[in-house]
Amino acid sequence: GEDVEQSLFLSVREGDSSVINCTYTDSSSTYLYWYKQEPGAGLQLLTYIFSNMDMKQDQRLTVLLNKKDKHLSLRIADTQTGDSAIYFCAVRGYQKVTFGTGTKLQVIP
Amino acid sequence: DTEVTQTPKHLVMGMTNKKSLKCEQHMGHRAMYWYKQKAKKPPELMFVYSYEKLSINESVPSRFSPECPNSSLLNLHLHALQPEDSALYLCASSQGQGDGETQYFGPGTRLLVL
Repeated sequence: GEDVEQSLFLSVREGDSSVINCTYTDSSSTYLYWYKQEPGAGLQLLTYIFSNMDMKQDQRLTVLLNKKDKHLSLRIADTQTGDSAIYFCAVRGYQKVTFGTGTKLQVIP
Repeated sequence: DTEVTQTPKHLVMGMTNKKSLKCEQHMGHRAMYWYKQKAKKPPELMFVYSYEKLSINESVPSRFSPECPNSSLLNLHLHALQPEDSALYLCASSQGQGDGETQYFGPGTRLLVL
């Protein structure tokens, strides 16, 4: 099955950029997603990228995809305290979406 | 409207109780999902309904029984649960089940089994 890995924790200062990384194993993955989960809440879709794209930008969010290395990243510019949450990457394979292990982002004021 | 609603928000039940979780969406989506999420872990897929028919059952114990009465509603019936079933139960929906079908999640029901 698909393995999707993320680092567990990231701490940044308010106003800095955050970069959250994700690696996956299934090269046939078609769509790749980033979700945000605040404490006690459901998952909020932030953005997604199709596998034939290298980059997608959406306001403060930039997604980079290196398909050769099976590496996905999410850059958050000008990180705010409201960005503190757990971020999950998710990879779509055949009929299913596999979630990464989640990265907890802590923003220090 | 990209909202998926779930009720109740919190549920405490004993091991002999029978309860149901409800999920609703009015986006015209034809695929609906149940996930289970333990603390500090990613969501784990339990069931997928596509066009009101069960299409994926990830070997979930029979004490969890899904039901899709119509294209907007998804239920999860609970019976004789164990304390280890305590978790956040997330519902999601998507336009279909195929490639590129983005899943939208509800806020979840936090379940505690005593």
